[in-house]
Amino acid sequence: AQSVTQLDSQVPVFEEAPVELRCNYSSSVSVYLFWYVQYPNQGLQLLLKYLSGSTLVKGINGFEAEFNKSQTSFHLRKPSVHISDTAEYFCAVSGYNTGNQFYFGTGTSLTVIP
Amino acid sequence: DAGITQSPRYKITETGRQVTLMCHQTWSHSYMFWYRQDLGHGLRLIYYSAAADITDKGEVPDGYVVSRSKTENFPLTLESATRSQTSVYFCASSNPGQGDTEAFFGQGTRLTVV
Repeated sequence: AQSVTQLDSQVPVFEEAPVELRCNYSSSVSVYLFWYVQYPNQGLQLLLKYLSGSTLVKGINGFEAEFNKSQTSFHLRKPSVHISDTAEYFCAVSGYNTGNQFYFGTGTSLTVIP
Repeated sequence: DAGITQSPRYKITETGRQVTLMCHQTWSHSYMFWYRQDLGHGLRLIYYSAAADITDKGEVPDGYVVSRSKTENFPLTLESATRSQTSVYFCASSNPGQGDTEAFFGQGTRLTVV
């Protein structure tokens, strides 16, 4: 089975400052990794995904993430945040050939301060 | 409109009642999932289905029943609702065999059991 740990439950950051949301995973098999964003009263929207190849993955809204196999991490970064980035962010893992189940972290609430 | 839709969006029910949450997708995705979202727990998998007539338990299946007689529908039934089942429920789908490795989410159903 797989599991995901999001190390920070809440991250406040000033507008236009950089941000990093941390995610570590555990798995005995090779995995796909995902970051999702959830705005209030909405479903989850995919930000980016890592399947294979380049370890630096770029997503929507200026976000990017780096896959680090040795550290089993998949941290999300943005060089300059906007007020509109205030939302809940979820890291998720799915093991290929293991039933395609998605396991989610507990989420990080990002608050951008004007 | 194409996509994945859940109904109802909001539901209040009494303890002991049976309630069914509906999920419909128009993409013919093979996999479908039910998650519940609770503060501090992130998203937890209740049940999933790899294809019509194939379902399997996730992390928290107790008290829930699913069926999948057609590829596009995946209803979730609470046989006898309890207050601990008050939550936001999300349905999702994916189609890894056709390249859609990520999960696509519905808008959620907010269920309150009183």
